[in-house]
Amino acid sequence: ENVLTQSPDTLSLSPGEGATLSCRASHTITSNYLAWYQQKPGQAPRLLIYEATNRATGIPDRFTGSGSGTDFTLTISRLEPEDFAVYYCQQYGGSPLFTFGPGTRVDIK
Amino acid sequence: QVQLQESGPGLVKPSETLSLTCTVSGGSMSPYYWSWLRQPPGKGLEWIAYMFYSGSTIANPALERRATISVDTSENQFSLRLSSVAAADTAVYYCVRGTRHVDFDYWGHGTLVTVSS
Repeated sequence: ENVLTQSPDTLSLSPGEGATLSCRASHTITSNYLAWYQQKPGQAPRLLIYEATNRATGIPDRFTGSGSGTDFTLTISRLEPEDFAVYYCQQYGGSPLFTFGPGTRVDIK
Repeated sequence: QVQLQESGPGLVKPSETLSLTCTVSGGSMSPYYWSWLRQPPGKGLEWIAYMFYSGSTIANPALERRATISVDTSENQFSLRLSSVAAADTAVYYCVRGTRHVDFDYWGHGTLVTVSS
């Protein structure tokens, strides 16, 4: 199983600040099939980034994905009030085919 | 804009079978990938199984003995059956579409299923 570890568990920041979220895999992720999702309370997750670096449809350019192999990063350049949420990374490949990280909560300081 | 809506009982007794249906509107089922995922209250996300619109399926090995998914393209629906449920199966269940086979880009709102006698 390709286990994903996310850090930090919680990030406390103010609107306008930048955020850097990390996702590390226990094994190399094939073809950088790594995605990031945002989830707000009571809502379904929303796809932000696919294949490590590609923004999904309608996602603002303040969200940037980077990384390769086993180490990936989601950067939010300037936090807007609507960006405070939980962020999950997800990989494809291996067994099980899809696994998720435990999430990073971005809180308002 | 494609929309997905889960439906099914919100309460299932232990040892019984959980059955959910996802109705897809605003788009065709082909040529996409259709999945079920779940999220226990206050916890993270778990992939259950997925299928290509043509019917080929792959399940999470941890659940494959109990999970069955099927598709009815004529009704624009796909379904999940999870047998022999226990309290650990209590979760919000999501039906999800993948344009690519490697991630999930359209999600239903989710439906809470509680396993309790």
